[in-house]
Amino acid sequence: DAGVIQSPRHEVTEMGQEVTLRCKPISGHDYLFWYRQTMMRGLELLIYFNNNVPIDDSGMPEDRFSAKMPNASFSTLKIQPSEPRDSAVYFCASSNPGYPETQYFGPGTRLLVL
Amino acid sequence: AQSVTQPDIHITVSEGASLELRCNYSYGATPYLFWYVQSPGQGLQLLLKYFSGDTLVQGIKGFEAEFKRSQSSFNLRKPSVHWSDAAEYFCAVVPNYGGSQGNLIFGKGTKLSVKP
Repeated sequence: DAGVIQSPRHEVTEMGQEVTLRCKPISGHDYLFWYRQTMMRGLELLIYFNNNVPIDDSGMPEDRFSAKMPNASFSTLKIQPSEPRDSAVYFCASSNPGYPETQYFGPGTRLLVL
Repeated sequence: AQSVTQPDIHITVSEGASLELRCNYSYGATPYLFWYVQSPGQGLQLLLKYFSGDTLVQGIKGFEAEFKRSQSSFNLRKPSVHWSDAAEYFCAVVPNYGGSQGNLIFGKGTKLSVKP
């Protein structure tokens, strides 16, 4: 079975540009999570969805960040405009109905903002 | 403040030696507890989890962890380490109270190096 799929795996962009990260959860999973990993702050939950509805976005750092889940098999995390401090690895994870705690992670997108 | 602490940033063990990675949490009620492993350039893989019941849980790749309520700890162990175990290990909790759902809170991680 395919795991969580993220694209792109690597992204290099210049400050001020828009960045869109994509995630396809495991089929049948109804929870989807976006995390950010940095050396300074470790792994942080940004936002999560249940049945395509955002449940908790308290971890989204600021208005430059937005996330959508238009259907059960696709989600995006957008940064506009991007800044160098947004450089990090962004992970998407998904989990089964009724078991939001047990999460399966994608390989991550490594973002570098110059 | 609620937190997850992994006191060891970096540990080096010899191949074949035993391993114990420490994890402490500070939550009022017993949270759900997890250990994840992250190999270089990879995502996180779930090793094992504890929700309730038997305090010694078995995971994949020969790992086990023991929940000790009195010490607020959930240490990860392996009796004999293999070179392929070199990775970063993360302890994580989900606070066990209404509304927490899937809010995984991670420790800072422990990087494991394995000497030949």
